[in-house]
Amino acid sequence: EAGVVQSPRYKIIEKKQPVAFWCNPISGHNTLYWYRQNLGQGPELLIRYENEEAVDDSQLPKDRFSAERLKGVDSTLKIQPAELGDSAVYLCASSQQASADTQYFGPGTRLTVL
Amino acid sequence: GENVEQHPSTLSVQEGDSAVIKCTYSDSASNYFPWYKQELGKRPQLIIDIRSNVGEKKDQRIAVTLNKTAKHFSLHITETQPEDSAVYFCAASGGSQGNLIFGKGTKLSVKP
Repeated sequence: EAGVVQSPRYKIIEKKQPVAFWCNPISGHNTLYWYRQNLGQGPELLIRYENEEAVDDSQLPKDRFSAERLKGVDSTLKIQPAELGDSAVYLCASSQQASADTQYFGPGTRLTVL
Repeated sequence: GENVEQHPSTLSVQEGDSAVIKCTYSDSASNYFPWYKQELGKRPQLIIDIRSNVGEKKDQRIAVTLNKTAKHFSLHITETQPEDSAVYFCAASGGSQGNLIFGKGTKLSVKP
């Protein structure tokens, strides 16, 4: 069984540029999460989807961040415009059902904003 | 909301010794407590988890204990090996917000 897939693995951009990350969850997993992990810290949830519905986006900085999961499978997270403080690893995870189920993480996208 | 505290932030042990990492949580409604291992530049990998209806769970050299009254849980690694070196994260979920909240991590170094 394939795990959670993310692309790109690395991205370097200049500040004020847009950037997008893609995630394909484990087949059959209805719940998808986007996390941000700063250096030396644990992952912090940005948004959680149940199928195609964003059920918790309270930690998503909506002025510059957006996400979508149109068909309830893969998802895209976008930042526009990027700021220096957005440099981090962006992790996608998925679980079968609700948030108390085991979450499996993708390899992450390491974003560097110059 | 939920808050998870993790200690120590760094831990160095000799190969073969035991390692213990402790976490506390604040939301008494939390009912799921996973532990993840993250090697440098890699994804967090689930190594063991426990739910609130169980006090202890063991998987070979790894065990987790949960004290719901005191709202703390611990990871125990016995007979440590150099390949156990990594950052370990505890987490709690199922509380009022239902999201997984992570501790800040413990960097474990096992010296041969």
